[in-house]
Amino acid sequence: KQEVTQIPAALSVPEGENLVLNCSFTDSAIYNLQWFRQDPGKGLTSLLLIQSSQREQTSGRLNASLDKSSGRSTLYIAASQPGDSATYLCAASHSGGGADGLTFGKGTHLIIQP
Amino acid sequence: DTAVSQTPKYLVTQMGNDKSIKCEQNLGHDTMYWYKQDSKKFLKIMFSYNNKELIINETVPNRFSPKSPDKAHLNLHINSLELGDSAVYFCASSQDWQTDTQYFGPGTRLTVL
Repeated sequence: KQEVTQIPAALSVPEGENLVLNCSFTDSAIYNLQWFRQDPGKGLTSLLLIQSSQREQTSGRLNASLDKSSGRSTLYIAASQPGDSATYLCAASHSGGGADGLTFGKGTHLIIQP
Repeated sequence: DTAVSQTPKYLVTQMGNDKSIKCEQNLGHDTMYWYKQDSKKFLKIMFSYNNKELIINETVPNRFSPKSPDKAHLNLHINSLELGDSAVYFCASSQDWQTDTQYFGPGTRLTVL
């Protein structure tokens, strides 16, 4: 059974800093790994999707990497801004079948201090 | 243009009642999902529905049943509501569950009294 763990559970940094969020998964038989952002009281917004054959994806100030063999992914946020404050979730899409389609971590609650 | 919409946004009801949550996607996706986010904010998949094939997470009680009148809709029916059903329920869709991004609705906060 796939398990996804995110470290740290919470993070508070001053504006402008670069930061890294970590995600690990137990079953490397994944189709892809996705990073989402959730704002309080809102749904999830997709940030980046990395296919199992890829090593990284970039979108603006965000860069996500994937190392299937070690079961790890990282989300790098450059030059953080107060608007980046949110909960960041990673999710592994794996071959166990549709009902196991996405297994989520518990998220990293990020606060960027102005 | 709302890609994935859910109604209602909030639902407060008594224990034992039966309720439904509606979900619609205008993205032309083939696969739709229901997720439950509990009080600890942990998000867990309940169902996926693709081309009339329903796959159920084995941990979901049979009081929960998804119904799809067409490809753009996947409604969630809940019978005999219990206190533990209180949560935020999210609908999502994707073109292909294996390779594509899932797009989430805004969520429905269900409170069972």
